[in-house]
Amino acid sequence: GAVVSQHPSRVICKSGTSVKIECRSLDFQATTMFWYRQFPKQSLMLMATSNEGSKATYEQGVEKDKFLINHASLTLSTLTVTSAHPEDSSFYICSAREGLAGLETQYFGPGTRLLVL
Amino acid sequence: RKEVEQDPGPFNVPEGATVAFNCTYSNSASQSFFWYRQDCRKEPKLLMSVYSSGNEDGRFTAQLNRASQYISLLIRDSKLSDSATYLCVVNDSGTDKLIFGTGTRLQVFP
Repeated sequence: GAVVSQHPSRVICKSGTSVKIECRSLDFQATTMFWYRQFPKQSLMLMATSNEGSKATYEQGVEKDKFLINHASLTLSTLTVTSAHPEDSSFYICSAREGLAGLETQYFGPGTRLLVL
Repeated sequence: RKEVEQDPGPFNVPEGATVAFNCTYSNSASQSFFWYRQDCRKEPKLLMSVYSSGNEDGRFTAQLNRASQYISLLIRDSKLSDSATYLCVVNDSGTDKLIFGTGTRLQVFP
């Protein structure tokens, strides 16, 4: 089946630094990628939707200047958490969908656990 | 009111038991419904889509009641490996966004 990878799987950084997370679709072309965030004991919350070659669409309450998303190719999207603070510590998960495939064919990456000290 | 509501549990059941989870959603225009499974500290994985007529996949049965805006998941003959958090997921009508419930935690014991 389709595979989506994320890198790194875990990152610890100091407050004020920026962290880049990569999301790759390994065996299909992902025209749409989604970025989610999940705090402990809470649901996944969609942060933004990115389509290859265009600007990401951010959900209400998500700062686009803080969470920079780049979807430069059909197999790669990156999320950069700029000037990270402890409250940004969370589990970040991407998902990818191929073309006009149905909603059920949204494949999730394994997630990146971010801890900001 | 949350868009997708679930009982957080945990549901602690013995092996072999039948257990049912419920979920309600607030947007009557939602079109697609799913159950995902999420293991501790892992990404969610699609368990099954939920169709209007109800559907079954092995030991798992999903039901949808549009009038009541209610979705259910029934697990028969529970296995230890079924222990996980089960997420009710609904699409945001008119878009391709998925809205996740907070999940119901299931713990199957020997």
